[in-house]
Parts: sequence; structure tokens; C-alpha cells
Amino acid sequence: DAGVTQSPTHLIKTRGQQVTLRCSPISGHKSVSWYQQVLGQGPQFIFQYYEKEERGRGNFPDRFSARQFPNYSSELNVNALLLGDSALYLCASSIRQAQETQYFGPGTRLLVL
Amino acid sequence: GEDVEQSLFLSVREGDSSVINCTYTDSSSTYLYWYKQEPGAGLQLLTYIFSNMDMKQDQRLTVLLNKKDKHLSLRIADTQTGDSAIYFCAESRGSYIPTFGRGTSLIVHP
Repeated sequence: DAGVTQSPTHLIKTRGQQVTLRCSPISGHKSVSWYQQVLGQGPQFIFQYYEKEERGRGNFPDRFSARQFPNYSSELNVNALLLGDSALYLCASSIRQAQETQYFGPGTRLLVL
Repeated sequence: GEDVEQSLFLSVREGDSSVINCTYTDSSSTYLYWYKQEPGAGLQLLTYIFSNMDMKQDQRLTVLLNKKDKHLSLRIADTQTGDSAIYFCAESRGSYIPTFGRGTSLIVHP
């Protein structure tokens, strides 16, 4: 079975631009979470979606938004990019919302110049 | 201070045991996790332990939990060069959203 997939793998943007990152969960998983991992740090929770509804939000500005589609894939959008948004963005999926285990994708590495 | 703390580096010789330590602050933590991240890759869940357990063993991996001291450790027996990676300790509470430490870089040398 395929694991969590994310696209694109790498992305370069300039300050002020907007970016959309995509995630496909493991087949049968209905919950998707997004994390930001800045170089040298552990991942920080951004959002959790389950059954197309936002079920959790971390301490990130409104420039960050996300949605989940009927097939349970998800998109993370970041507007008005800042240099500090440069990071590895990780998607994780789980079977349901309150699940003790999540499985991570390889991430999208975003560089903001 | 940080919710989850780990030392940043550990260097061991191939064939020796590695012990990576972690402390956390929240006594209501439900699950505690160890993740592995290889260069340029996402996170791989290695193992996790429920907070009412003291120990969990899975092949070369042994997790020890001291709930009184809020201390978690991961022991890797017979460490190999392929074990070189960053190891993240994480804890979760009712929402099951993990809070991660900064990671420990394990360097295995011949």
C-alpha cells in the first residue's frame, strides 16, 4: 500500500507570494494533519482535518489555511509568504481524528527568498 | 521551558547500544512516541508507549518510561550505521496531537 504522498517535493517562492501544498493520505485514512518543521526544530502542529472539517488548529497566523476534499486529500495554503515560512511542511494521516498513531509523508520543502 | 526536551547530539560506536533520553513537562500526557527522521525525509514512527506502561520492547528497541520523573528513553541495541538519523521524542494528550522535542542527532561511527 502507498504511504502518505505529498506534492511538490520542493518549492521556491518569493516574499509576498502564495503557495499551495498537497497531501494524499493512506488509503482508508480519514484524518489529515499538517505540521511545519523549521530547520533544527521539531515539527509544529498547524491543522487537523477529519471528515472535511477542521478539528484542530495550532498557533499559526490566519495566512495559513487548509481544506480537506471528499476523497480525504488535503491542501495547505499559505498567503503573503514571509522568509520565516521557509520550512519542511509535513502531512500526516490517521484512520480517525482521535488516533494515537499518525503516519507522516516525506514533506514539501519550501524556500522563501 | 520547552514542553519536551532532548539532548541535541549522541555519538556511539557501531555495535554498541545507544540510549536517547527525553523529559516532558505535562503529567497528563497520554501517549509518548519516538520518531526517526533520516536526512531529507519525513518522520517514521518507531514506537510508542501508553502512559500507564513502564517499558515496551520491539526487536532492537526498548522504551522505558518513568512517569514520576517524566522521563522517557529509547535504547537501540547493536546500533548500526543505518541508525544514524535524528530521533524525536513526542507526547500527546487527549487530542492525540503530538508535541515534539527538538530532536537528537544520533551519529554512529565505525
